[in-house]
Amino acid sequence: NAGVTQTPKFQVLKTGQSMTLQCAQDMNHEYMSWYRQDPGMGLRLIHYSVGAGITDQGEVPNGYNVSRSTTEDFPLRLLSAAPSQTSVYFCASSYSTVTMNTEAFFGQGTRLTVV
Amino acid sequence: GQSLEQPSEVTAVEGAIVQINCTYQTSGFYGLSWYQQHDGGAPTFLSYNALDGLEETGRFSSFLSRSDSYGYLLLQELQMKDSASYFCAVKNQAGTALIFGKGTTLSVSS
Repeated sequence: NAGVTQTPKFQVLKTGQSMTLQCAQDMNHEYMSWYRQDPGMGLRLIHYSVGAGITDQGEVPNGYNVSRSTTEDFPLRLLSAAPSQTSVYFCASSYSTVTMNTEAFFGQGTRLTVV
Repeated sequence: GQSLEQPSEVTAVEGAIVQINCTYQTSGFYGLSWYQQHDGGAPTFLSYNALDGLEETGRFSSFLSRSDSYGYLLLQELQMKDSASYFCAVKNQAGTALIFGKGTTLSVSS
């Protein structure tokens, strides 16, 4: 059981380039989210999804797109990378319940540098 | 929207007890969670409180007071391996994703 798998683990981009961060989970979780983590800023929610075909914006969505065509996959796209997007990106998934505890499982992160 | 406040740093010695506080403001409240993250690693779940009171899991306990919008994580018998960042989190207004505090870095020394 792999859990949440993120690829790549490291990436360097030039300003203006585009790329897709991949996230896949094999736990049949409906809820998936993307976070970015910057020093002193904690984990900030970028986009999230409650199931295939349904996505919504989080706290810091600008500059990022997402789609959810299957339950397993939730890719994050940077359309035109900027140095301000240099960060560590985490994908997370959890079971779909609003009122009960939903432990979130995180991938190992993608460390992105935009030069 | 949701917001959480927690101290940025806490230091302690091995064997001691440390408490990490968290206050929150939310539109809709479904519970308070705590996550641990070691340097270079991914966050991992520690505990969850939906109701007032203390939840104990081994050396770690978590407390919630809904009337005060306040909770804390209590770490007992500290070990060097407890040196990490600790995040409190609440669900977003729809209850479908987590919103995290900025994290508390715990440094345990011998």
